[in-house]
Amino acid sequence: DAGVTQSPTHLIKTRGQQVTLRCSPKSGHDTVSWYQQALGQGPQFIFQYYEEEERQRGNFPDRFSGHQFPNYSSELNVNALLLGDSALYLCASSLVGHQNILNTEAFFGQGTRLTVV
Amino acid sequence: ILNVEQSPQSLHVQEGDSTNFTCSFPSSNFYALHWYRWETAKSPEALFVMTLNGDEKKKGRISATLNTKEGYSYLYIKGSQPEDSATYLCAFGGAQKLVFGQGTRLTINP
Repeated sequence: DAGVTQSPTHLIKTRGQQVTLRCSPKSGHDTVSWYQQALGQGPQFIFQYYEEEERQRGNFPDRFSGHQFPNYSSELNVNALLLGDSALYLCASSLVGHQNILNTEAFFGQGTRLTVV
Repeated sequence: ILNVEQSPQSLHVQEGDSTNFTCSFPSSNFYALHWYRWETAKSPEALFVMTLNGDEKKKGRISATLNTKEGYSYLYIKGSQPEDSATYLCAFGGAQKLVFGQGTRLTINP
C-alpha cells in the first residue's frame, strides 16, 4: 500500500504565478483534504473534496481552489501567488463517504514545500 | 473560531526519562481528538483517535488520556528513546476537517 503520495516534494515559484500541487490518496480512500502549514504553526485546513466536489472550506481566499478526479486523486491550485503562500502543503485522505464519521482516521502525505520568491 | 493549544512548545528530555505534554481544546461540541507524531521529512503518523470522555489509549510506550468535559488530553511517553524525537500534534475534529495545535517539539538527549 503506497499510502498518500504528493508531488512535487519541493517547488519554487515567483510572486504572481500560479501553482498546482497533486495528491494521490491511500488506496480505498474516497476523501481528500488539504492543509497549509506555515512556519511555526500547526497545519491549517484549506478544503476537503468528496465525490469530486468541495465539501468543506476553511478560511482561505478564492485564490485557493481544488479539484478531485474520478480516481479520488486531487489537485490544489493557487493563483496569483503571494510571498505569504510559502508553506508546506499537506494532503490527507480518509474513508468518510456518506456516513460523515467524525472519528475516522486521516492519513497524511509528506507534503509539498512551496517557496514563493 | 476553534482554538487548540499545546504545551509546552518544545521539550528536551534525557533518554530513559518519562515525559508528558498537554493538548487543550474546546469542551463544547466535541467530535474527536487526534494525536499525530511527525518526524522531520516524513508524513505525520496517526497515533490515536479518541472519542470518549475518560478514554485511555496505549501504543507501546506511548499512551494518551482524554477529558472532554474540561477539554484536555495528555500524551505520555514512558522511558523516552532517541527515536521518540519528533513533533507531536494534536487535532480536534473529524477526519473531514481537523483543527491542529502548534505541536510540541520533543528532543530526546542521549
